[in-house]
Amino acid sequence: DSGVTQTPKHLITATGQRVTLRCSPRSGDLSVYWYQQSLDQGLQFLIQYYNGEERAKGNILERFSAQQFPDLHSELNLSSLELGDSALYFCASSVMMEGARNTEAFFGQGTRLTVV
Amino acid sequence: DAKTTQPNSMESNEEEPVHLPCNHSTISGTDYIHWYRQLPSQGPEYVIHGLTSNVNNRMASLAIAEDRKSSTLILHRATLRDAAVYYCIPGDDYGGSQGNLIFGKGTKLSVKP
Repeated sequence: DSGVTQTPKHLITATGQRVTLRCSPRSGDLSVYWYQQSLDQGLQFLIQYYNGEERAKGNILERFSAQQFPDLHSELNLSSLELGDSALYFCASSVMMEGARNTEAFFGQGTRLTVV
Repeated sequence: DAKTTQPNSMESNEEEPVHLPCNHSTISGTDYIHWYRQLPSQGPEYVIHGLTSNVNNRMASLAIAEDRKSSTLILHRATLRDAAVYYCIPGDDYGGSQGNLIFGKGTKLSVKP
């Protein structure tokens, strides 16, 4: 158990809809990262939040957005869903404090999104 | 970002050592080499990371070439539970950036009983 909790585990929805994926990081971890894993693209970094603020952006579509709340949990919002958005979405967390080195990222079990 | 080259797949027998190679010839001088693995139906899991010296932990050893253009992850005695996709990822070790990982295709390790 990595200590990172993602809900829901599975989600089936129709094209055009909007969904919210939730992530609770390890206790005290300030950084949260979102990844998408599809069969053809592999694991792709989407976005990072650090202590409530956006820190880095990867290959995140404009239809997708995220936020990190004061209690450090994070949500990934996916809207106007398309068939190609079907994928596993992973959340990871790391870092107790700025400047910390030699730490690692801890990943959750993922949310499997199926768009039909 | 440094490009990596790893074999698509490797096979090992249970309880034998496994050497998983990775080429990262464009790695920057300050990038660490991280290894993660992903077991079937699970999220990625940290294995080990290092900068220049060889590193050991309870899971594996990491041997880094002197010119840092390649590294080898060593599993000393493979178990069935080690069957996974192993990713070699050059990247920053600075606090707050450990999770900005650029995953390649990795090496799928199969372990035979």
